[in-house]
Amino acid sequence: GAVVSQHPSRVICKSGTSVKIECRSLDFQATTMFWYRQFPKQSLMLMATSNEGSKATYEQGVEKDKFLINHASLTLSTLTVTSAHPEDSSFYICSARDKDRPTDTQYFGPGTRLTVL
Amino acid sequence: AQSVTQLDSHVSVSEGTPVLLRCNYSSSYSPSLFWYVQHPNKGLQLLLKYTSAATLVKGINGFEAEFKKSETSFHLTKPSAHMSDAAEYFCVVTPPGNAGNMLTFGGGTRLMVKP
Repeated sequence: GAVVSQHPSRVICKSGTSVKIECRSLDFQATTMFWYRQFPKQSLMLMATSNEGSKATYEQGVEKDKFLINHASLTLSTLTVTSAHPEDSSFYICSARDKDRPTDTQYFGPGTRLTVL
Repeated sequence: AQSVTQLDSHVSVSEGTPVLLRCNYSSSYSPSLFWYVQHPNKGLQLLLKYTSAATLVKGINGFEAEFKKSETSFHLTKPSAHMSDAAEYFCVVTPPGNAGNMLTFGGGTRLMVKP
């Protein structure tokens, strides 16, 4: 089946530093990947849609200069949290859409727990 | 526009008893509907999906859900709960034939299973 991985699974950083999270589709090509944020005991909120070779589309209220998204290949999208602050601490989940099955369901990664001290 | 409401934020059942997780949706079209499960600190796993075929959908791990258009509901059920079913469950709606985009998540229901 379609597998999406994320790295790292858990990261702790100091306030003011930047953190990069990788999302990879392991056995399919993904022209589109999605980044979600999940606060404790809450649902997933879509942050942005990442399209291979073009700029990401951000949801309203999401700062594009703070959450940099790069989708440089058909199997990799990265989310960089720049100048992280404690309020950025959250569970970040990516998902990917199979380019050969564009209307099929998204496949989700296992998530990355970010803690900013 | 579309939205989805999970009527219970927490559900507690005893092992071996039935599970019912409720979901109502609002949509201006006939949507596709999904249930996902999330175990602690894990990503989401697809349990089942409804895409305008049979209204009773069977999923993995013994779960099933019934699409009722007249009630705009898509409740998730399981005849007998296992301890391993304890997790967070999300009901998700999306436009028909386009599950690759525009997923709208419900608020989630935490299922607790007592021994």
